[in-house]
Amino acid sequence: GAVVSQHPSWVICKSGTSVKIECRSLDFQATTMFWYRQFPKQSLMLMATSNEGSKATYEQGVEKDKFLINHASLTLSTLTVTSAHPEDSSFYICSYRTRDGPQHFGDGTRLSIL
Amino acid sequence: QKEVEQDPGPLSVPEGAIVSLNCTYSNSAFQYFMWYRQYSRKGPELLMYTYSSGNKEDGRFTAQVDKSSKYISLFIRDSQPSDSATYLCAMSGPSNTGKLIFGQGTTLQVKP
Repeated sequence: GAVVSQHPSWVICKSGTSVKIECRSLDFQATTMFWYRQFPKQSLMLMATSNEGSKATYEQGVEKDKFLINHASLTLSTLTVTSAHPEDSSFYICSYRTRDGPQHFGDGTRLSIL
Repeated sequence: QKEVEQDPGPLSVPEGAIVSLNCTYSNSAFQYFMWYRQYSRKGPELLMYTYSSGNKEDGRFTAQVDKSSKYISLFIRDSQPSDSATYLCAMSGPSNTGKLIFGQGTTLQVKP
């Protein structure tokens, strides 16, 4: 099956730090990438959608200057949480899909801001 | 009212039992239906992907879609302790742009 690699799996950092999360598709070329965040015991909340080479489309209420998304190639996307604060602590998950297929998810990144 | 309703559980069954997980939805435009399994502190793993109404079977898993009732189900036969996880239904459509609407997820525990 499809493999999506997400890195790092867990990061702890001080308030005010910027954190970059990488997401790679390993065995297929994705057309669309999605970034989600998930709070404990809750479902996934879509943050943004992007296509390779295009600007990301952010969901309502998600600050695009806070959560920078770069989708420079078919196989790599990054999410940078800028000037992170404790309220940004969450579980961040990326996913890819091919043109007509379902989404395949990475294993997530647990972000803890002290 | 949420677009997709899913009972959060928890659902506890003995090993070997048949498990039935369900979701209802309100948007008749949904055409693509998925079930994902999520273990604690991991990303969701795709179990079943179906288009429109009907049944689909894969090993111990069977997915059913009844568009007339706006109701989807996932059945797990011969459940194992390793099936203990949260199960998320998700759907999209009609153009399958990829944007998913998720249920809340049902937590399943299979006891040895």
